Amino acid sequence: NAGVTQTPKFRVLKTGQSMTLLCAQDMNHEYMYWYRQDPGMGLRLIHYSVGEGTTAKGEVPDGYNVSRLKKQNFLLGLESAAPSQTSVYFCASSYTQGPGANVLTFGAGSRLTVL
Amino acid sequence: GQQLNQSPQSMFIQEGEDVSMNCTSSSIFNTWLWYKQEPGEGPVLLIALYKAGELTSNGRLTAQFGITRKDSFLNISASIPSDVGIYFCAGPTLKTSYDKVIFGPGTSLSVIP
Repeated sequence: NAGVTQTPKFRVLKTGQSMTLLCAQDMNHEYMYWYRQDPGMGLRLIHYSVGEGTTAKGEVPDGYNVSRLKKQNFLLGLESAAPSQTSVYFCASSYTQGPGANVLTFGAGSRLTVL
Repeated sequence: GQQLNQSPQSMFIQEGEDVSMNCTSSSIFNTWLWYKQEPGEGPVLLIALYKAGELTSNGRLTAQFGITRKDSFLNISASIPSDVGIYFCAGPTLKTSYDKVIFGPGTSLSVIP
């Protein structure tokens, strides 16, 4: 039972480069989330998805795009990376109803550095 | 938008001491979640609270859902070195059609052996 898997775990980019972070969950969760974590800022929500084919903006969506083509996968894209996007990115997923609703299961994180 | 505030921001305590931390919001929450994050890992759920006034324990940890629904408290009894980490409160917001879970800035706990 893998839970939530993020790839890659580490990446270094130059300013202006693009990349995609992949999140996969095997728990049949409806909701999936992308957060970024910066020192002293806690976890800030970038984008989230309530189901296959749907996405919505979170607290800090600018500079990021997402896609949820399959229920188990949630992709976070940076079209033109900026140093301000240097951060640790966490993916999470949850059920929407019943026991465990809104209780997030997190991946191990992806550390991104933009030079 | 809705925000969660946590205090204290950081704590340095002696092993064996009890710990108290809290989380407050200007808005009502129907669910309070407490997570712990250890270095290099993702947050892990400690306790979930679903009813105002609810008091729930998980081993040495006890959390309470505030009566006003605008706050929650986490207590750790008889702290040990493995309690070190960042403790986050979180909850789903109510202002949108879809739930989105937001997090507080965290309380960093250091335990001195």
